[in-house]
Amino acid sequence: GDSVTQMEGPVTLSEEAFLTINCTYTATGYPSLFWYVQYPGEGLQLLLKATKADDKGSNKGFEATYRKETTSFHLEKGSVQVSDSAVYFCALNSGGSNYKLTFGKGTLLTVNP
Amino acid sequence: SAVISQKPSRDICQRGTSLTIQCQVDSQVTMMFWYRQQPGQSLTLIATANQGSEATYESGFVIDKFPISRPNLTFSTLTVSNMSPEDSSIYLCSVAWTGGADTQYFGPGTRLTVL
Repeated sequence: GDSVTQMEGPVTLSEEAFLTINCTYTATGYPSLFWYVQYPGEGLQLLLKATKADDKGSNKGFEATYRKETTSFHLEKGSVQVSDSAVYFCALNSGGSNYKLTFGKGTLLTVNP
Repeated sequence: SAVISQKPSRDICQRGTSLTIQCQVDSQVTMMFWYRQQPGQSLTLIATANQGSEATYESGFVIDKFPISRPNLTFSTLTVSNMSPEDSSIYLCSVAWTGGADTQYFGPGTRLTVL
């Protein structure tokens, strides 16, 4: 079945540091890939997505590239801010009959001033 | 996207009781889903809410425990029945549209504590 593996957290960085959160996946066919962000006490927000190989999703300074050869979708940001502190979830959707999203376990990011 | 609201935003309930959570969208959507997020964990799909027919449940979730209604294209409810402390979780609804059904947008969630 489908699965998503994210790097274990928590991740603690200083403001303006470079961020990478690793995500790899196992899926049948050609899934769409997503990063969602959950700020403290809130629901999930879609951060970015990519639907085919070599696509790059980007939003709010965050980027991730769909790498089919390595089955990866790593999240990066060149300079993090305190306001980026949140839990980040990698997810995939293989389509199928119910369009189910399969999530990774989430990575807690804390950015210190 | 759309504006998605959930009621209640949080609740504290007694063991053995039931709670119904509402999900309202400000535009018509094709698909609605219900997820559970247990404390410190990721999200797990409970079921797909089908308009005008019975919901489609994932393995490990049953209708008697989590009855779902979807009377129209903008509204759905999830009931957590005969609750136990193990049901303490955040429950989230999400929506999607045909043609972009791979992309789901989430409501703010309902934080449930069962004593």
